[in-house]
Amino acid sequence: GAGVSQSPSNKVTEKGKDVELRCDPISGHTALYWYRQRLGQGLEFLIYFQGNSAPDKSGLPSDRFSAERTGESVSTLTIQRTQQEDSAVYLCASRAFDSFNEKLFFGSGTQLSVL
Amino acid sequence: AQSVAQPEDQVNVAEGNPLTVKCTYSVSGNPYLFWYVQYPNRGLQFLLKYITGDNLVKGSYGFEAEFNKSQTSFHLKKPSALVSDSALYFCAGGGANTGFQKLVFGTGTRLLVSP
Repeated sequence: GAGVSQSPSNKVTEKGKDVELRCDPISGHTALYWYRQRLGQGLEFLIYFQGNSAPDKSGLPSDRFSAERTGESVSTLTIQRTQQEDSAVYLCASRAFDSFNEKLFFGSGTQLSVL
Repeated sequence: AQSVAQPEDQVNVAEGNPLTVKCTYSVSGNPYLFWYVQYPNRGLQFLLKYITGDNLVKGSYGFEAEFNKSQTSFHLKKPSALVSDSALYFCAGGGANTGFQKLVFGTGTRLLVSP
């Protein structure tokens, strides 16, 4: 596709349930990021994938959070045993090159609501 | 730790007037700085970036930003605001010396341009 695609756009779940969020980056983009955007706060870095290198997971807030990426394509962010504090918009972004001065292309995000 | 601050939650300006959205940064090493805009129900879009070179950076939609090293600022500006500029603006940055893949974002400033 022409842009970064995320699904679902909205997800409502009950506390304690597991959720899986999907990101389809722009074709050919080697770098992929997950960010979390809580209401009234800045974007919080979660995880970074670059090609076949080991991902940088340093931003994941707890062991309930995990993410995978198959090669240079789709990525899934999984949150186990969701808590109300996990409610946020989860944003995926991709970048064409492993270079800090290249811009990120963002998806529209997944609005997660944990009841 | 790296940080980016946007001191204003909201900026109000009348159409046709100049606008400024403020951003200050604290990073290690030479900074690289970005502005992104988030329109309702859409993903973040790149506006402009500063890596090195001229302190005045020109970007999309008539926006520009001025890098001021002594004041550690990177304010976003536009000479004449449009109603369609109303959106949420994020400043982001990092330092070339530290984990530069992890862009740090500000909390965002909502720009409201009235007719």
